[in-house]
Amino acid sequence: GAGVSQSPRYKVAKRGQDVALRCDPISGHVSLFWYQQALGQGPEFLTYFQNEAQLDKSGLPSDRFFAERPEGSVSTLKIQRTQQEDSAVYLCASSAQLAADTQYFGPGTRLTVL
Amino acid sequence: QQPVQSPQAVILREGEDAVINCSSSKALYSVHWYRQKHGEAPVFLMILLKGGEQKGHDKISASFNEKKQQSSLYLTASQLSYSGTYFCGTDLGGSNYKLTFGKGTLLTVNP
Repeated sequence: GAGVSQSPRYKVAKRGQDVALRCDPISGHVSLFWYQQALGQGPEFLTYFQNEAQLDKSGLPSDRFFAERPEGSVSTLKIQRTQQEDSAVYLCASSAQLAADTQYFGPGTRLTVL
Repeated sequence: QQPVQSPQAVILREGEDAVINCSSSKALYSVHWYRQKHGEAPVFLMILLKGGEQKGHDKISASFNEKKQQSSLYLTASQLSYSGTYFCGTDLGGSNYKLTFGKGTLLTVNP
């Protein structure tokens, strides 16, 4: 079956531009996570959705970051007024259950802010 | 708090064994192991739950020592395909199941 997909795979933005990153989780998965991965580092948690409810956004670095999952499936991570420090790979993961369960990762979107 | 992985890097010849450790200063509910190749998504290897036994498949296994809050990943008779960066992700329990990842261990398997 299809895994987690993300688009675009690569995004180059000029400083100050807004960007939107999309995540299509595995069909039927209840939980969806966004992580940020800097070069040479492990993924860092940004936010968590249970169906359409955003239950944890403690990892979002600033109020320029916003995520939504309006119908409980596709999710969008939006970054307003991008800064150079926002350059990273943004990973999306989904899992089937509410309990601690395998998180399946997408290929990520590599964002470069010039 | 971020778990600490060791070693940071290891180089093996095909067929050799390796152990990667992941330690936390906090009580863990579960530990998740992933392998990531350059430019690709992290690929799930296994999950160990508090109170669970050692797990494994093929020639990769892992254990979870609750007393030490430490997990170890064992790779035996390594293959070229094992090369990549290994991450442990720790879950403290609670209601959001987010993972906190270590900085990774770069494993290189040479012919």
